[in-house]
Amino acid sequence: AQSVTQLDSQVPVFEEAPVELRCNYSSSVSVYLFWYVQYPNQGLQLLLKYLSGSTLVESINGFEAEFNKSQTSFHLRKPSVHISDTAEYFCAVSPYGGATNKLIFGTGTLLAVQP
Amino acid sequence: KAGVTQTPRYLIKTRGQQVTLSCSPISGHRSVSWYQQTPGQGLQFLFEYFSETQRNKGNFPGRFSGRQFSNSRSEMNVSTLELGDSALYLCASSPSGSSADTQYFGPGTRLTVL
Repeated sequence: AQSVTQLDSQVPVFEEAPVELRCNYSSSVSVYLFWYVQYPNQGLQLLLKYLSGSTLVESINGFEAEFNKSQTSFHLRKPSVHISDTAEYFCAVSPYGGATNKLIFGTGTLLAVQP
Repeated sequence: KAGVTQTPRYLIKTRGQQVTLSCSPISGHRSVSWYQQTPGQGLQFLFEYFSETQRNKGNFPGRFSGRQFSNSRSEMNVSTLELGDSALYLCASSPSGSSADTQYFGPGTRLTVL
């Protein structure tokens, strides 16, 4: 079985400050790792994902996440946030090799960017 | 390409009724998954369909059911509604149903049970 822990339910930060959203997972099998973002009154959209290769993955809007196998973590970072980054961020895993693409989500972190 | 669409966007029902939600995936996508989102339980996997077959089911009672049609469109049904079924129901589609796929989510159907 798999589980995902996002310890911070809410992260307030000032505009242009750096931010880190934490994600740890537990799994008895290897997994793919995802970060999804949900803006108010919208569905989820993929921010970035780790499948294999370089442990550092980047998104087109300046976010990056690093896969750390020994610590079973996939923390999300951005060096300078904008007001428009205010949203809820979900970390998720999907066990690979199985005949399904079920996502197991963390409880989410609300990033609140203040001017 | 058009994104994932879900209808209706909002629904109000009373306890004991049943409801059907619809999802149209992105053209060419063969896998459709359903998730329930609530403030208390977060995002929980309901089921996944691939080529009209249910491949996986989450830990929900039998009142929750679904199906997928030959054009990949999917419906989910909840019978004998309970207050606790109030939630945002999200549908997601992916091209091949691989666990490495990006899943593309619709805007959701907000169900309120009174």
